[in-house]
Amino acid sequence: QVQLVESGGGVVQPGKSLRLSCAASGFTFRNYGIHWVRQASGKGLEWVALIWSDENKEYYADSAKGRFTISRDNSKNTLYLQMNSLRAEDTAVYYCARSFLGMDVWGQGTTVTVSS
Amino acid sequence: QSALTQPASVSGSPGQSITISCTGTGSDVGTYNLVSWYQQVPGKAPKVMIYEVSKRPSGVSNRFSGSKSGNTASLTISGLQAEDEADYYCCSYAGSGTFVFGGGTKLTVL
Repeated sequence: QVQLVESGGGVVQPGKSLRLSCAASGFTFRNYGIHWVRQASGKGLEWVALIWSDENKEYYADSAKGRFTISRDNSKNTLYLQMNSLRAEDTAVYYCARSFLGMDVWGQGTTVTVSS
Repeated sequence: QSALTQPASVSGSPGQSITISCTGTGSDVGTYNLVSWYQQVPGKAPKVMIYEVSKRPSGVSNRFSGSKSGNTASLTISGLQAEDEADYYCCSYAGSGTFVFGGGTKLTVL
């Protein structure tokens, strides 16, 4: 079935880096744009970044610009989010979501905690 | 990239209709017909209920409908059911490849 599975979350100190992955299955990954969306505990959804099926087109929220990099490996059906210079306010559940008919397929999320 | 404005909470009794508003600006909701709505049950991933302002994905009940007027989009749920109790988020394309979500609305079915 169509599925997205995130991984790579964990506890990291402020200022450090972390790379999240999102493995896709059940559809032709290279044909779709994919978003990263995050949600701090008890808070709302926040759009983070989008990469189109054309690997060169990346877009970021202001909160992510300059610190986060979205990328994809179509040969591995995998999306990535490289997060550098992490801050306490980056603590959240990070979801990947397929860009089709809105955001029609979501992963289960991976939790990132930035704390010393 | 300011969040879209939604009421923090709405409530209704079973069988009633409720409407959740989502107010943006002329740079997002007012310009693009790319507003979507998501239902999120606590502890679960969001689920798309409406896309492109008023289109319903296959499998979503026709009790859910969407509309837009100017800078405000709306989600209406008719024939409210207990299973509709959840958090609801709007999302709009905001130009230059970016998107913005609303702050979310908690729907309580009385």
